[in-house]
Amino acid sequence: GAVVSQHPSRVICKSGTSVKIECRSLDFQATTMFWYRQFPKQSLMLMATSNEGSKATYEQGVEKDKFLINHASLTLSTLTVTSAHPEDSSFYICSARDHSTGERGYTFGSGTRLTVV
Amino acid sequence: RKEVEQDPGPFNVPEGATVAFNCTYSNSASQSFFWYRQDCRKEPKLLMSVYSSGNEDGRFTAQLNRASQYISLLIRDSKLSDSATYLCVVVTGNQFYFGTGTSLTVIP
Repeated sequence: GAVVSQHPSRVICKSGTSVKIECRSLDFQATTMFWYRQFPKQSLMLMATSNEGSKATYEQGVEKDKFLINHASLTLSTLTVTSAHPEDSSFYICSARDHSTGERGYTFGSGTRLTVV
Repeated sequence: RKEVEQDPGPFNVPEGATVAFNCTYSNSASQSFFWYRQDCRKEPKLLMSVYSSGNEDGRFTAQLNRASQYISLLIRDSKLSDSATYLCVVVTGNQFYFGTGTSLTVIP
């Protein structure tokens, strides 16, 4: 089945620094990838939709200048958390869809646990 | 009004019990429905799709009621390994909407 690789799985960074998270579709091409955030005991919340070759679409309340998304190829999307603060500490997960398998083809990366100290 | 409403639980049930979860959704145009399972600190994984005709996979049965706009998941003969958070997902257009998740703990 479709596999999405997300890296790193865990990162600890200092306040004010930037962190880049990568999401790769390993055996299929993904024109669209999705970035979610999950705080403890809460559901996944969509942050943005990443579109290959064009600008990402951000959900209301998500700062596009703080969460930079780049989807430069059909197999790679990156999320950069800029000037990270402790309140950005969360579980970030990407998702991509393998169109050849229909809607069941939405697959999640393994997630990145970000801790900002 | 939220797109998807789900009782967060927690549900604590003994091994062998039958347990059911429900989710309601607000948009009658929603076209696809799924149940995902999420283990602690892990990514969600697809458990099963939900159809109006019902969908059964071993001990798991999923059902969709379009008239009342809810989906359900029934787990029979609960196992310890069923302990997890179960998320309902409603797809409207190109958007995935997640429920808050229902926590299930199966007790020996």
